[in-house]
Amino acid sequence: QVQLQESGPGLVKPSETLSLTCSVSGGSLSSYYWSWIRQSPGKGLEWIGYFYYSGSTNYNPSLKSRVTISVDSSKNQFSLNLRSVTAADTAVYYCARDAEKAMAVPGGLGVWGQGTTVTVSS
Amino acid sequence: SYELTQPLSVSVAQGQTARIPCGGNNIGNKNVHWYQQKPGQAPILVIYRDSNRPSGIPERFSGSNSGKTATLTISRAQAGDEAAYYCQVWDTSLGVFGGGTKLTVL
Repeated sequence: QVQLQESGPGLVKPSETLSLTCSVSGGSLSSYYWSWIRQSPGKGLEWIGYFYYSGSTNYNPSLKSRVTISVDSSKNQFSLNLRSVTAADTAVYYCARDAEKAMAVPGGLGVWGQGTTVTVSS
Repeated sequence: SYELTQPLSVSVAQGQTARIPCGGNNIGNKNVHWYQQKPGQAPILVIYRDSNRPSGIPERFSGSNSGKTATLTISRAQAGDEAAYYCQVWDTSLGVFGGGTKLTVL
């Protein structure tokens, strides 16, 4: 059974880069869409972006200028970089995988990591 | 940009049926996914592609989608169903979540 685990610094200074990694165990990165989602304190879910195993990526337009999602297949991991962070980027960050394999378009997010809290503060 | 509208809260008596709506422009033409999130936990997919239940989700959870509204229906509501519920679609391959609905089981 596939499991996802987010990791990275819990505290990032304003204007710096937030970097998180999602480690995948029990399955490979192939044939699925993989997303990052965040949730600000007391707020709803916000989709950040995804990558597809073929190499394509797509980002939330509101974050696109600051976000990069990359993959390290050799380590079965994918990463999120969010540049020039502010207090508004303080949130719980989740990585997630589609429920269905080899779909032409993204679908329901069927597997989630437990989430990691990132605080932006000096 | 595409928007999904959910009521902030819905209440249901234990054992009764809860219906949580999710509105969006021509949402009937999109695949709608639903998530349950309890405090301090990651979301769980309860319905995908409008009306499909992932393995392990009780049959009490069902979904429908037509016109301008998708609906998550929870039959025979239990105390353990109390949670926030989010609808989600992909609009030109961009992920969009509704604002979430807090379900209270009385």
